[in-house]
Amino acid sequence: AQTVTQSQPEMSVQEAETVTLSCTYDTSESDYYLFWYKQPPSRQMILVIRQEAYKQQNATENRFSVNFQKAAKSFSLKISDSQLGDAAMYFCAYRENYGGSQGNLIFGKGTKLSVKP
Amino acid sequence: GAGVSQSPSNKVTEKGKDVELRCDPISGHTALYWYRQRLGQGLEFLIYFQGNSAPDKSGLPSDRFSAERTGESVSTLTIQRTQQEDSAVYLCASSLVLQEAQYFGPGTRLLVL
Repeated sequence: AQTVTQSQPEMSVQEAETVTLSCTYDTSESDYYLFWYKQPPSRQMILVIRQEAYKQQNATENRFSVNFQKAAKSFSLKISDSQLGDAAMYFCAYRENYGGSQGNLIFGKGTKLSVKP
Repeated sequence: GAGVSQSPSNKVTEKGKDVELRCDPISGHTALYWYRQRLGQGLEFLIYFQGNSAPDKSGLPSDRFSAERTGESVSTLTIQRTQQEDSAVYLCASSLVLQEAQYFGPGTRLLVL
């Protein structure tokens, strides 16, 4: 079964600095999607960035970028120029592209990010 | 446009009662998903709908849980004979089609006393 592991329960970063959140996953599939979601205290899950496994180029969305290492099954999120509004729980998620399980996201346990002014 | 909405926002019930949780997906989204999030945990997949059918019900924790979707729109998650371990936030998401990114609602926080 596929699993997603986030090894950092909590992280802290100074405002305007850069932080990297780690995520590893386990799968025997070759075609899948990976996602980072942000969940602030309001509990609304917000899609931050997504990566298709067959694309070698790392995805980027403004201050957010990923380091996707397919062979190592690693998918880290880098937040540049951190802002106070970035403080939240961050969840890494995996989804198959085909088959009966393509409808469900598999989530890690999350990393709580604090941003210090 | 409007995002995914869920109601109620919060629900407190007594052990043994039935509850219904509602999800209104983004208009035009054909796929709809239910997840459960226990306190301090990640999200646990429950069920998804493609149109009005649910191809994968394997995530439902027990036969006390059921879900339906009508008119490729609103979905209801029903929990019968609630137990204290059912206390959690229940999140709904929708996507344009199954392979597209999922957009989440604000969730329903369920507390079973």
